[in-house]
Amino acid sequence: ETGVTQTPRHLVMGMTNKKSLKCEQHLGHNAMYWYKQSAKKPLELMFVYNFKEQTENNSVPSRFSPECPNSSHLFLHLHTLQPEDSALYLCASSQGVTGGTDTQYFGPGTRLTVL
Amino acid sequence: QKEVEQNSGPLSVPEGAIASLNCTYSDRGSQSFFWYRQYSGKSPELIMSIYSNGDKEDGRFTAQLNKASQYVSLLIRDSQPSDSATYLCAVNPQSSASKIIFGSGTRLSIRP
Repeated sequence: ETGVTQTPRHLVMGMTNKKSLKCEQHLGHNAMYWYKQSAKKPLELMFVYNFKEQTENNSVPSRFSPECPNSSHLFLHLHTLQPEDSALYLCASSQGVTGGTDTQYFGPGTRLTVL
Repeated sequence: QKEVEQNSGPLSVPEGAIASLNCTYSDRGSQSFFWYRQYSGKSPELIMSIYSNGDKEDGRFTAQLNKASQYVSLLIRDSQPSDSATYLCAVNPQSSASKIIFGSGTRLSIRP
């Protein structure tokens, strides 16, 4: 256990559905991240939040909408997804300090399948 | 040029031998370097972090960093079947303290 939890662990949805992924960290960290991991591809950073403020949006389509109500919780709202969005979605957290020494701790991920 | 490059493997190493995993990166100003291990169907877990040139040892694992050559490696001594996994190299670029760029990973297989 890394102190980062994600729900649900598995999700199957149709292209017209709206769903949300939830991430919670119990580490007292100030930065949270969403990554997408597709087969045979590197981990792709999607969004970064530092102290509840979005600091990175890696050109992610608007059908993915993040929300960070506080430093411990992060959501990814999904709507009108495409089959190619099927992937493992990983949440991570880190202390959020500057200086380039920020180690990230990952949650178990949500395996998303879009039909 | 990819920001972080790794040989995808698979790298097959006999049990008990040394496994050597390599990674190169493009941002010369990068300061922090990480090795993550990812078992199939699981999330990445941090094995080692290294910030200065030279070697850093932790149990059977040794990370090596050469900033001049923009090269970081991970050595696994006395390889065990449980070391079979994908190893991800990650680099913290100079441009952002909270952003980590991952390589595509090297699949390591330890054969009994």
